[in-house]
Amino acid sequence: AQKVTQAQTEISVVEKEDVTLDCVYETRDTTYYLFWYKQPPSGELVFLIRRNSFDEQNEISGRYSWNFQKSTSSFNFTITASQVVDSAVYFCALSEGAGGTSYGKLTFGQGTILTVHP
Amino acid sequence: ETGVTQSPTHLIKTRGQQVTLRCSSQSGHNTVSWYQQALGQGPQFIFQYYREEENGRGNFPPRFSGLQFPNYSSELNVNALELDDSALYLCASSLAVGGIRLGEQFFGPGTRLTVL
Repeated sequence: AQKVTQAQTEISVVEKEDVTLDCVYETRDTTYYLFWYKQPPSGELVFLIRRNSFDEQNEISGRYSWNFQKSTSSFNFTITASQVVDSAVYFCALSEGAGGTSYGKLTFGQGTILTVHP
Repeated sequence: ETGVTQSPTHLIKTRGQQVTLRCSSQSGHNTVSWYQQALGQGPQFIFQYYREEENGRGNFPPRFSGLQFPNYSSELNVNALELDDSALYLCASSLAVGGIRLGEQFFGPGTRLTVL
């Protein structure tokens, strides 16, 4: 069975601080995809990134970066120089299957509430 | 390009009633997945529709059912509503070819259902 754990329920930082959101996953599949989504107060889930299980290269996109470590089953997300607009709930998710297939079911973690204060 | 839309935005029902939620997939997408998100929780997969048939189901009872139409839009029906059905219901669309999902799932804004 798949499981995603986001141990940090809430994080509060001051603007311009760096913040790392942790994600640990469990799966028996050798092929899987990992995702991060952002959920602002409006409720819509906004896709941020997808990584497949064969690509452990870290990725940077502007102020966002992701650290995927298969050895520890972790896929952590760092926001550099946080801004008030980054305040949201962030979800890590897992999808099993080659090419994100089977039926593409996403298993989500519980989410981390990030509050960035001015 | 039109994104995923859902209706209604909010809904209030009483226990025992039935409800239908609607979702229009993003342009070019042929697969729709439904998720239930209780307050303070992550979304839980309900089921997915591909080619107008259910193509995978999560741990939800049969009173949760759905439909997909030829234009790929979808409905989620919940019978005999219970208080615990109060949640945000999210619809996500994606593109699949030969049963293989390509690309990402894009989510709609959700329908907030309150059961009294």
